[in-house]
Amino acid sequence: EAQVTQNPRYLITVTGKKLTVTCSQNMNHEYMSWYRQDPGLGLRQIYYSMNVEVTDKGDVPEGYKVSRKEKRNFPLILESPSPNQTSLYFCASIRTGAVGEQYFGPGTRLTVT
Amino acid sequence: GQSLEQPSEVTAVEGAIVQINCTYQTSGFYGLSWYQQHDGGAPTFLSYNALDGLEETGRFSSFLSRSDSYGYLLLQELQMKDSASYFCALSGGYQKVTFGTGTKLQVIP
Repeated sequence: EAQVTQNPRYLITVTGKKLTVTCSQNMNHEYMSWYRQDPGLGLRQIYYSMNVEVTDKGDVPEGYKVSRKEKRNFPLILESPSPNQTSLYFCASIRTGAVGEQYFGPGTRLTVT
Repeated sequence: GQSLEQPSEVTAVEGAIVQINCTYQTSGFYGLSWYQQHDGGAPTFLSYNALDGLEETGRFSSFLSRSDSYGYLLLQELQMKDSASYFCALSGGYQKVTFGTGTKLQVIP
């Protein structure tokens, strides 16, 4: 089944404790992206990657890191999480040749206390 | 930068037609997408307009007018399961994607 997976789905952590949210897609898509979703603000792009070893900042990159060492994986790293990073996070990939059609993972609900 | 505006809430009757508008400001883009998101779920792709005009996919249609910086999503024969949030999004090619803040659609019997 074609899909985007994320882990963990839920995470409660404390300020300053490094964490990684994994994202993987099995569709051989070149483009992947991370978003955060907060009430009233819609989805905001954190980072995106156009291919292996090619990443760039979205609209809200502060406090986040990403890497793209393999085509299928695009982990999101929070080196020192803070309470303002409490949010719902989505990973997405774009079907090659279909620029406007994104496939989203199920989401990761992160709480930083 | 890019910005999009949508109504925050819309209510419509089951079986009716509803239009969700999206106005935007941008210096350039490839197309306008629409996504549906049910409470607690992930966004799912509905439609994409690269060119001006109407795109139809079953009960859903989407329209784009670049000259008016405006698009809309049209849902026909509304069903209760269509109650969800709907987002428009500008695609700058394989680069930045900017979403609107979403429209919460409530379908009532």
